[in-house]
Amino acid sequence: DTGVSQDPRHKITKRGQNVTFRCDPISEHNRLYWYRQTLGQGPEFLTYFQNEAQLEKSRLLSDRFSAERPKGSFSTLEIQRTEQGDSAMYLCASSPPTTDTQYFGPGTRLTVL
Amino acid sequence: KQEVTQIPAALSVPEGENLVLNCSFTDSAIYNLQWFRQDPGKGLTSLLLIQSSQREQTSGRLNASLDKSSGRSTLYIAASQPGDSATYLCAVSNYGQNFVFGPGTRLSVLP
Repeated sequence: DTGVSQDPRHKITKRGQNVTFRCDPISEHNRLYWYRQTLGQGPEFLTYFQNEAQLEKSRLLSDRFSAERPKGSFSTLEIQRTEQGDSAMYLCASSPPTTDTQYFGPGTRLTVL
Repeated sequence: KQEVTQIPAALSVPEGENLVLNCSFTDSAIYNLQWFRQDPGKGLTSLLLIQSSQREQTSGRLNASLDKSSGRSTLYIAASQPGDSATYLCAVSNYGQNFVFGPGTRLSVLP
């Protein structure tokens, strides 16, 4: 069990650029979540997948954000036309079928200049 | 809309003390509640998950209680150690998927 992994760990980009983050959940975890966390705050829910189906999206997820989970394994989160307000830590978590406990990855820290 | 608050925002205690962290939520119709620990610049580590039908869960020196009717949970840490220094986050789910997090309590345990 290698845990949830995220790539890259850090990303610095210029405003207006597109960025893509990857999350690899724990093997056999069918549920996958994306959260965003800003300094001093708790994580905010963005979206949730069960297998390959995206079942829930937060209102925080504007049309510049898109997430996919092809084949129900890894997931990607893309932000188009980044804005300075997108600067945050993006966290991925996964859960197995048998429990609601969420296992978090180390996060991707995005800085938009 | 579910809102979660945590008191205190920060806490500093000497090593060996027992301590209690508080979590309050506005919608008592929760499915479960989870306590997490977060070290600086890192992801979250799950500590305890309490289902809505349960009143408490224990793991080692940690004990979490849940009072749904009053919208409260507490995390009790016994015999605190410097290694317990971290931010502790409470999160609730109204139907088992989307967790709503509190802002956290930043704990410092002084040697």
